[in-house]
Amino acid sequence: DAGVTQSPTHLIKTRGQQVTLRCSPKSGHDTVSWYQQALGQGPQFIFQYYEEEERQRGNFPDRFSGHQFPNYSSELNVNALLLGDSALYLCASSLGLNSNQPQHFGDGTRLSIL
Amino acid sequence: RKEVEQDPGPFNVPEGATVAFNCTYSNSASQSFFWYRQDCRKEPKLLMSVYSSGNEDGRFTAQLNRASQYISLLIRDSKLSDSATYLCVNHLSGGYNKLIFGAGTRLAVHP
Repeated sequence: DAGVTQSPTHLIKTRGQQVTLRCSPKSGHDTVSWYQQALGQGPQFIFQYYEEEERQRGNFPDRFSGHQFPNYSSELNVNALLLGDSALYLCASSLGLNSNQPQHFGDGTRLSIL
Repeated sequence: RKEVEQDPGPFNVPEGATVAFNCTYSNSASQSFFWYRQDCRKEPKLLMSVYSSGNEDGRFTAQLNRASQYISLLIRDSKLSDSATYLCVNHLSGGYNKLIFGAGTRLAVHP
């Protein structure tokens, strides 16, 4: 039973560049959420995808965008990278939108901006 | 005010000690809560769900006080392997399924 998988594991970019991070949800899950975790902080909700649509968004600028594919996998895109975008980006999956079941997290992508 | 606030860490305790973490939340309509554990440079992993009646899982006990908007996690007989950051999480739902994390409390258990 495959858990949540993310790629790449690590990434180094420079300011102004663009990046795409990928996530495959746990088998049987259809909802994908993305979180940003800066050093020393808890994860912050970026947005959530269900049925290929963005259903909820946190307090992040439009430079952060995403997509969900028919197979439930998802991408997070960040444009015009800033130094402050350096963080661990976590993908979490769950089943359905109105569920009290906990979300399952992938290992994350560690993004460093130089 | 932050949506979820936790005790500042770190907590440094000897093996065998009992340690308690506290957490408060601001959204009185919140229905469910979790404690997640996060090891250094790893992903958060679910430790326990938190129920109104309180729940226990081995050495771990979680309690919820809705009147005070307060959540706690008690760890008894601490082990070296309990060293980690403990994240208090508010689960918001209703057409979406969103987790609001506290900043975490770091626990270091020493021999």
